[in-house]
Amino acid sequence: QKEVEQNSGPLSVPEGAIASLNCTYSDRGSQSFFWYRQYSGKSPELIMFIYSNGDKEDGRFTAQLNKASQYVSLLIRDSQPSDSATYLCAAPDPGNQFYFGTGTSLTVIP
Amino acid sequence: KAGVTQTPRYLIKTRGQQVTLSCSPISGHRSVSWYQQTPGQGLQFLFEYFSETQRNKGNFPGRFSGRQFSNSRSEMNVSTLELGDSALYLCASTYLDSYNEQFFGPGTRLTVL
Repeated sequence: QKEVEQNSGPLSVPEGAIASLNCTYSDRGSQSFFWYRQYSGKSPELIMFIYSNGDKEDGRFTAQLNKASQYVSLLIRDSQPSDSATYLCAAPDPGNQFYFGTGTSLTVIP
Repeated sequence: KAGVTQTPRYLIKTRGQQVTLSCSPISGHRSVSWYQQTPGQGLQFLFEYFSETQRNKGNFPGRFSGRQFSNSRSEMNVSTLELGDSALYLCASTYLDSYNEQFFGPGTRLTVL
């Protein structure tokens, strides 16, 4: 059974702080990992993906991947109230079936 | 480039009825996946279609079915609706390149009374 696990939170951070979201996965064959943001009542929106060990930066977002530890994280720098949402981690298998975590709820406090 | 579109956006049905949801993927995307999202269960994979063939199927009863047309548009059908089928149904399209980024449509909110 392939699993992607996230802390459900809620995670609260003050405005301007760094928010750290974590995800672990069970399938060592997973090659790429995706982070989605979902606002309440809306559909998931792709933020970024990572497929190589190390860090990948895109604006205020940094994804980190450690395949040996089967761990992927998302850092949000200079958090804004508009970042308040649920963040979903996903890992596809080679057949393109995506496995999603249950999501971490983030609240950025002004 | 237009995004993934889903119709209808909202639907109210009664138990025992059936429903058909439609999804048009991003132009050039040939893979379409369907998900059910409920507050208690999160995002659950229903099935994935590529080139009119179902490639993957999640753990849902046979009341849930789908198909894909030659233009990559996809439909999902739920027969004999139950109260527990009330959910947000999401369609996602993928180009299927090295990265397989998956993009979601706005979803169809189904309420079963």
